[in-house]
Amino acid sequence: ETGVTQSPTHLIKTRGQQVTLRCSSQSGHNTVSWYQQALGQGPQFIFQYYREEENGRGNFPPRFSGLQFPNYSSELNVNALELDDSALYLCASSDQGAEETQYFGPGTRLLVL
Amino acid sequence: SQKIEQNSEALNIQEGKTATLTCNYTNYSPAYLQWYRQDPGRGPVFLLLIRENEKEKRKERLKVTFDTTLKQSLFHITASQPADSATYLCALDTYNNAGNMLTFGGGTRLMVKP
Repeated sequence: ETGVTQSPTHLIKTRGQQVTLRCSSQSGHNTVSWYQQALGQGPQFIFQYYREEENGRGNFPPRFSGLQFPNYSSELNVNALELDDSALYLCASSDQGAEETQYFGPGTRLLVL
Repeated sequence: SQKIEQNSEALNIQEGKTATLTCNYTNYSPAYLQWYRQDPGRGPVFLLLIRENEKEKRKERLKVTFDTTLKQSLFHITASQPADSATYLCALDTYNNAGNMLTFGGGTRLMVKP
């Protein structure tokens, strides 16, 4: 088990609503990345935060936004939820500049009805 | 366009045999490649990293090869056990606005039968 935690574990929302997912990174890690994983597919990179600044973004619309806090924990916000947003959302922490490995949390399962 | 391909069909093997999983990529020049294991409903767990200047890496019963000419990595599990049953993901590093991000393949599900 890694030291990365995510909350909540499961969430059900309806189309058009907004959601906030949370992630606590592993101790000593300064970088958090968020991924979306649809059923039966590999994780897709959403964005990365390094020292509270967005440090790279995948092919996701602006309604996906995030924050990183001084303690390196992070939030993923999704506005105007769509049915296709139903997925497992994974947070991964890493120590940028020290090693390339990313340590994943258990994920938040989001269902949009 | 960039693409990472793993066999989407499940690989079924008998306990004790060697499992070999393939990861092919196009239009990438990765500095390194990683393999992760993912169990149902859980996050991926890091297994091995191999750099572009390394041909082979081993860890216990695991072996990874990396052929940058063929643009292919092979992941081997020797003396496989039912507990090795999981989905295995390969991931390449790609740089986006100075940050390192991982681009994953779709994963291959391995089933080891006793």
